[in-house]
Amino acid sequence: QVQLVQSGAEVKKPGSSVRVSCKSSGGTFTEYDIGWVRQAPGQGLEWVGGLTPKFGLSYGQNFRDRVTITADESTTTAYMELSSLRSEGDTAVYYCARVIFYGSGNFGWLDPWGPGTLVTVSS
Amino acid sequence: QSVLTQSPSVSEAPGQRVTISCSGSTSNIGNNAVNWYQQLPGKAPKLIIYYDDLVPSGVSDRFSGSKSGTSASLAISGLQSEDEAEYYCVAWDDRLNAPVFGGGTKVTVL
Repeated sequence: QVQLVQSGAEVKKPGSSVRVSCKSSGGTFTEYDIGWVRQAPGQGLEWVGGLTPKFGLSYGQNFRDRVTITADESTTTAYMELSSLRSEGDTAVYYCARVIFYGSGNFGWLDPWGPGTLVTVSS
Repeated sequence: QSVLTQSPSVSEAPGQRVTISCSGSTSNIGNNAVNWYQQLPGKAPKLIIYYDDLVPSGVSDRFSGSKSGTSASLAISGLQSEDEAEYYCVAWDDRLNAPVFGGGTKVTVL
């Protein structure tokens, strides 16, 4: 059974970058396995990004040119780096989740999810 | 503004049935699998329906999903207090090359 453990809370200045890690255990691991979703305070869920076998990097509209997704298969850990942080909008809980693909690399669903990492952007 | 449209909230008494709708388009729901997630207060989301109407192992069979055209629905039967949560629909979008989310529906058990 796959379990995901995320890095701890971060406080960052506007304009800086943050890197959140997500360690997977209990199953196989590839660079496509982990996707990232965020949730601003009191708001809904929003796709940040993830690697897909069909399209390479898939990212949400608010993250074009700002998100970098990497994975280290030797340590079964995925990373999400978000740059040019904005005080309004980027403060959120960032979740990693295992991505399940089906058929010929079609994006399926997210299961399980990590516990989340709170990123606070403040001057 | 979310790509998938959900009603903001629904309320019902214990033991009753509620249905949550999710409306999209041909580029997402109409052509790809729909999934539903339950988010309890202060917790991470949890998958409760995948591939339109399949229930993961360990999830109550009181949850059921369906899809018709560009709309999908989640039904919860025999409503219980533990079902009070936010529910989100998600589907891949072929135009955006990304999964898109509904805005969430808050279920309140009266």
